[in-house]
Amino acid sequence: EAGVVQSPRYKIIEKKQPVAFWCNPISGHNTLYWYRQNLGQGPELLIRYENEEAVDDSQLPKDRFSAERLKGVDSTLKIQPAELGDSAVYLCASSTRTAYEQYFGPGTRLTVT
Amino acid sequence: KQEVTQIPAALSVPEGENLVLNCSFTDSAIYNLQWFRQDPGKGLTSLLLIQSSQREQTSGRLNASLDKSSGRSTLYIAASQPGDSATYLCAVKAAGNKLTFGGGTRVLVKP
Repeated sequence: EAGVVQSPRYKIIEKKQPVAFWCNPISGHNTLYWYRQNLGQGPELLIRYENEEAVDDSQLPKDRFSAERLKGVDSTLKIQPAELGDSAVYLCASSTRTAYEQYFGPGTRLTVT
Repeated sequence: KQEVTQIPAALSVPEGENLVLNCSFTDSAIYNLQWFRQDPGKGLTSLLLIQSSQREQTSGRLNASLDKSSGRSTLYIAASQPGDSATYLCAVKAAGNKLTFGGGTRVLVKP
């Protein structure tokens, strides 16, 4: 069974530029999560989807971050414009609706210069 | 607001020694607690999941205990090996299917 797929794995951009991350969850997983992990810290939830619906986006900085999950499968997280403080690893995870366990992708390491 | 703390932030032990990693959380109203391993540049791999009704969970050389009333969990790794070097994260799940993570303990096992 294929795991959670994320791309790109690494991204370096200048501040004020836009950037997008893509996630393909495990087949059949209805719930999708985006986390941000700063260096030396644990991941923090940005947004959670149940199918196409964003059911928890309370931690998403909505002035510059946006996300979508069309057709309830793949998801894209966008930052526009990026700031120096956005440098972090962005992790995607998925789970079945009722399962306890979340499965994580390898993450995208973003560096904003 | 749930807060999860892991102490120490880093740990170095000689090969063969047992590892003891600590995790504490402030709100005991949790569904479960999960221990993860994270290798450099990689995502998180789930090691053990303890339901709120359980006291411990074991998998091979790994044993995790949970004391919900005191807000503590401990991960024991027996007879450590250099391949155990990684960052270990604990996370608690509460209402809304939300995981709250600790900052992790970075472990180095020296050959």
